[in-house]
Amino acid sequence: DAGVIQSPRHEVTEMGQEVTLRCKPISGHNSLFWYRQTMMRGLELLIYFNNNVPIDDSGMPEDRFSAKMPNASFSTLKIQPSEPRDSAVYFCASSFMGEFQAFFGQGTRLTVV
Amino acid sequence: TQLLEQSPQFLSIQEGENLTVYCNSSSVFSSLQWYRQEPGEGPVLLVTVVTGGEVKKLKRLTFQFGDARKDSSLHITAAQPGDTGLYLCAGNQGGKLIFGQGTELSVKP
Repeated sequence: DAGVIQSPRHEVTEMGQEVTLRCKPISGHNSLFWYRQTMMRGLELLIYFNNNVPIDDSGMPEDRFSAKMPNASFSTLKIQPSEPRDSAVYFCASSFMGEFQAFFGQGTRLTVV
Repeated sequence: TQLLEQSPQFLSIQEGENLTVYCNSSSVFSSLQWYRQEPGEGPVLLVTVVTGGEVKKLKRLTFQFGDARKDSSLHITAAQPGDTGLYLCAGNQGGKLIFGQGTELSVKP
């Protein structure tokens, strides 16, 4: 099993540019989570999906952030336009809905300059 | 305000010492998990506790869930340099997995 796959691993972009982060969950998992991790705020839940449907997006910081899950094997998190304060490590995680264990990808380190 | 408060935030100890990390909340959780994260990697699950008062052991690690299911502790016996990492507690609330800020543990040889 390849685990949760995120791309890219590192992204450096200029302020104002659009950034798209990608996630492939573990096959068969039906819950998907996007988290952001910073030193100041720790690991914050941004949004999660059950069966490809967004359930709770209350953690999405503002309208510049959007997430989609067009099918069970792919999700994107988009930031448009990006700002320096968006710099963080973004994690995707997946699980079987109702089960306790979440499996995390290796994360995308985003730097906005 | 963090839903889950972990303490201490940083811990630096010598190899062979014992330590305890705490995870506290004013909310009740249906389950609570402990994860360990190494630099450049995502968190990896260590254990899940579900029943109030539950105690689970994983080699030198002992995990306890409070009777009221609002708090938990992680105790490491005879810490080793390989235990170094970020320890995170996470609570399950209606399908949402909420994390504490983490405890950064450094074990020096």
